[in-house]
Parts: sequence; structure tokens; C-alpha cells
Amino acid sequence: DAKTTQPPSMDCAEGRAANLPCNHSTISGNEYVYWYRQIHSQGPQYIIHGLKNNETNEMASLIITEDRKSSTLILPHATLRDTAVYYCIVKIGTSYGKLTFGQGTILTVHP
Amino acid sequence: EAQVTQNPRYLITVTGKKLTVTCSQNMNHEYMSWYRQDPGLGLRQIYYSMNVEVTDKGDVPEGYKVSRKEKRNFPLILESPSPNQTSLYFCASSIGAGSGAVSFGPGTRLTVL
Repeated sequence: DAKTTQPPSMDCAEGRAANLPCNHSTISGNEYVYWYRQIHSQGPQYIIHGLKNNETNEMASLIITEDRKSSTLILPHATLRDTAVYYCIVKIGTSYGKLTFGQGTILTVHP
Repeated sequence: EAQVTQNPRYLITVTGKKLTVTCSQNMNHEYMSWYRQDPGLGLRQIYYSMNVEVTDKGDVPEGYKVSRKEKRNFPLILESPSPNQTSLYFCASSIGAGSGAVSFGPGTRLTVL
């Protein structure tokens, strides 16, 4: 699976959009981009995933660049409960379900 | 409610005393796995199972055993725990081996003295 690079930490004001970047320049054509978050030692929580097109669900939006070498997770109106470690993971769609977690981005949402 | 449950949530034990951490999911998922999380090392996969009676090693299987006799259950067994197995453990499941949308349990914090 391709390696990802994320900033170690980011801050965001409550109510504003949080934009979390992820670089995956070695991604191959059959690899998906997944985002998870982990709130203070709780079990990681699946957020969203995509292959080429931008995706949106009730939690977030995922923007993937046309060359697929980077992506951005957008939390449109961050709340204090969104403070967490966010992981960007690239995974082959047909592989078994192992997820390789990096260090992620610590997002702190301030009042 | 669709979920992955683990028990116990917290456990303090002594070296060499066999223990089992249970994991159960109610989503009829085929794929289940165990991870451990340690500071600075992130989450690492211990064992996984693609279906009943089908299990295989992950990245850090030494000192652990698993079994998958029923689809919903995937217990983690430490036959002779050692202090280096002190960690935060997560059970996870997904609908199939190809799915990256994985559901995680709440975690079991294990301390081995």
C-alpha cells in the first residue's frame, strides 16, 4: 500500500471548516484513499473514502486531486467534538482488510 | 445497534497468567482482526480472520493466539502474557476482506505486571 504524509498537527476554530491535507504521491490506480479518526484512545472511526471522484457524506467531504497524488478531508463546520487524530490511509481495494496507520494529524478545534 | 464489542475494557494482570479478550460483532461481517496501539508505534495488526476457521498472522503475532469458531466472535488469547504486551488493543471487523470501511471496538487497555 502507498505511503501517506500528513502534517503532525493543525488547529481550527469552532464553526469554521477544517481542511486536512494528505500527500500520497506514490498511489497506484487500484488504491483507494480512506480517512479515519481516533478520539482520545477510543476505537478508530471510519469517516469516508474515495478512488477518483470527490465524495461527501454526513460527516465530511473528500477532495482528491486529478492526478490522485494528494487529497483533502474537509469537516465543513468543525465542533469541539471533532478534536481527534485524523488518519489518511491508502489501500488496495481488493486486498484483505488490513489498514496501515501512520502517525496522522492531531486536529485541535478551539472555542 | 451495529457494533463491535470487547471485554474486558480494562485489565491488569501478572506475567504468565493466561488471559482472553473477547470480541463480538453483530453485523454479520466476514473479516475480523486485532490491532494493538502503542505510543510512537501507532496501530499494528496482530491477527486477522477472513471467515470462520480461517485465520492468519498480521504484523506482530508473537505471543498471541486467536480462534474463529463462529462468525461473530474472534477472541484474542495471551497464553503467557509478558510486560511487553502491555498495550491498548482494538478488535475490528468489516463486511469483506476487500473493504476498507472497518468498524472498530472500543478498546481493551491491558497492563501486564
